[in-house]
Amino acid sequence: ETGVTQSPTHLIKTRGQQVTLRCSSQSGHNTVSWYQQALGQGPQFIFQYYREEENGRGNFPPRFSGLQFPNYSSELNVNALELDDSALYLCASTIAGAELFFGEGSRLTVL
Amino acid sequence: AQTVTQSQPEMSVQEAETVTLSCTYDTSESNYYLFWYKQPPSRQMILVIRQEAYKQQNATENRFSVNFQKAAKSFSLKISDSQLGDTAMYFCAFMKPLGIGNQFYFGTGTSLTVIP
Repeated sequence: ETGVTQSPTHLIKTRGQQVTLRCSSQSGHNTVSWYQQALGQGPQFIFQYYREEENGRGNFPPRFSGLQFPNYSSELNVNALELDDSALYLCASTIAGAELFFGEGSRLTVL
Repeated sequence: AQTVTQSQPEMSVQEAETVTLSCTYDTSESNYYLFWYKQPPSRQMILVIRQEAYKQQNATENRFSVNFQKAAKSFSLKISDSQLGDTAMYFCAFMKPLGIGNQFYFGTGTSLTVIP
């Protein structure tokens, strides 16, 4: 049990729609990262937030955006969904250490 | 850019036997960490073991140990006395510090099946 929870666990959207995924981190974990895991692949870094500001970003377009809130929760927003956005989206938190604590992920299917 | 390569998509091992999962990485960084994460069917990634690059001694965590060869950029995971609960996807990961926070690079994973 990592103390990181994500919602929803599964969702289905259609191309062009927008989606918001949510994550609740462990209390005190001031850094949250989001990863995209396509089927059969390892997780790929989307971005990271520290104290409500983005402080690192992977190779993802601007239609992937995020928010982090003072209560250690965060959101991943994806606009103009494409078929290739279908994946497991993982949230991970840390408290300035080297270990990531992952949630169980949100499985997004884009039709 | 950092890359992590896991050349074994699938492996199997008999219960109570030993298995080694391979991982190589490429980086020009001098300060980094290496990890093995386990992802069971429940999907939650769980840390198995961690190795700091500046440490020459190989990390050990109960039945799990690593063989870290820094010059060769190799980081293999050995699981001793394999148990049914070890069945999962195993991901090798490289982490570089981002100042505040870190960025992880994952390999494509090795699916391990422990056979009763």
